[in-house]
Amino acid sequence: GQQLNQSPQSMFIQEGEDVSMNCTSSSIFNTWLWYKQDPGEGPVLLIALYKAGELTSNGRLTAQFGITRKDSFLNISASIPSDVGIYFCAGRGGSNYKLTFGKGTLLTVNP
Amino acid sequence: DGGITQSPKYLFRKEGQNVTLSCEQNLNHDAMYWYRQDPGQGLRLIYYSQIVNDFQKGDIAEGYSVSREKKESFPLTVTSAQKNPTAFYLCASTPTNVASDTQYFGPGTRLTVL
Repeated sequence: GQQLNQSPQSMFIQEGEDVSMNCTSSSIFNTWLWYKQDPGEGPVLLIALYKAGELTSNGRLTAQFGITRKDSFLNISASIPSDVGIYFCAGRGGSNYKLTFGKGTLLTVNP
Repeated sequence: DGGITQSPKYLFRKEGQNVTLSCEQNLNHDAMYWYRQDPGQGLRLIYYSQIVNDFQKGDIAEGYSVSREKKESFPLTVTSAQKNPTAFYLCASTPTNVASDTQYFGPGTRLTVL
């Protein structure tokens, strides 16, 4: 089945630094989604990408749908303490309803 | 307020007992989903339903059952056949049953089987 490799697994950064994380897939996806999850809560959608090459921003967050359709990245600029959490990528291929999720990137921001 | 509600937030059960997790949405969404999340893992799909009175198995359906008698409700039963039921369970929904729809998640239920 489809597999997603998300990296890094965890990051420890200082407030104000920029952050970058990415996901790569073993197969082509038509949709890439990025979610953030706070401890004990459900994931919240940050950015949705639907076209290869698409670059989309949401405030300090920017995500891109890779040209090969097998990867995506998420950048966070000027990190703040409330950016702490687990960030998940998710992808969907074809007309399949199923989303494949990465294992998440745990972000810790030191004030 | 519109949204997805899951209750209870924490649930404890003895081994061998069936337990039902609630998921309700007042968003008038057509499709609903159940995921399981284990520490350090991504979400894995248990069951999904695109329309009332219809549902399909996901990747890890064994030991679980669902029903979709009403559009707004998609309860998940964790049966005694599920070998390792302790996990965080997440319900999600999408506005239509179009595959490209974005999934929105509820707050989750943490099930602990003692």
